[in-house]
Amino acid sequence: SQQGEEDPQALSIQEGENATMNCSYKTSINNLQWYRQNSGRGLVHLILIRSNEREKHSGRLRVTLDTSKKSSSLLITASRAADTASYFCATVSSGNTGKLIFGQGTTLQVKP
Amino acid sequence: DAGVTQSPTHLIKTRGQQVTLRCSPKSGHDTVSWYQQALGQGPQFIFQYYEEEERQRGNFPDRFSGHQFPNYSSELNVNALLLGDSALYLCASSPVRGGEKLFFGSGTQLSVL
Repeated sequence: SQQGEEDPQALSIQEGENATMNCSYKTSINNLQWYRQNSGRGLVHLILIRSNEREKHSGRLRVTLDTSKKSSSLLITASRAADTASYFCATVSSGNTGKLIFGQGTTLQVKP
Repeated sequence: DAGVTQSPTHLIKTRGQQVTLRCSPKSGHDTVSWYQQALGQGPQFIFQYYEEEERQRGNFPDRFSGHQFPNYSSELNVNALLLGDSALYLCASSPVRGGEKLFFGSGTQLSVL
């Protein structure tokens, strides 16, 4: 079963705009990760935020985590056509490290 | 340095058949996990192998089984295939068992007719 829900399911923006995706989850977590998937192939790890962290940055990516609301957001700034992909959040539960539970993903289209 | 490699890339089987998918982890990684991704869904955890043993298992029937070899490579076997087994099967490796970031292969697209 899926741990979380992502919102929106699909997002279409123009190049240069910012893209924000949200993820909600249900159980206590050890960490939350974001992955990107191009054209239904392998996933690529983007960023990991631990349960005791509130915000993390990596290049044009900014991730926030609110454990009280059991939610996270991924912001991609100054988007590029190459950012077109599906984005998934994945959680590692506090009591069950070793497996990732993925959300259903947000499909992002960046128009040139 | 090769990443995670999976074979075959695509596979077509008929109902009731058996299939074996293969995975070689990234160099230096000893833990392999398998995920099933149905069309339009997020990946679902099947199981994880470490030290040649199944360490964790998701909510999948016994028709799904696996193996890890001494060189850390792994196989996923599915018996008595059902139409619903059609999916992208992803292998992921990591250097530790503890839920840090995973490195994924490009997957095997299995179609069951």
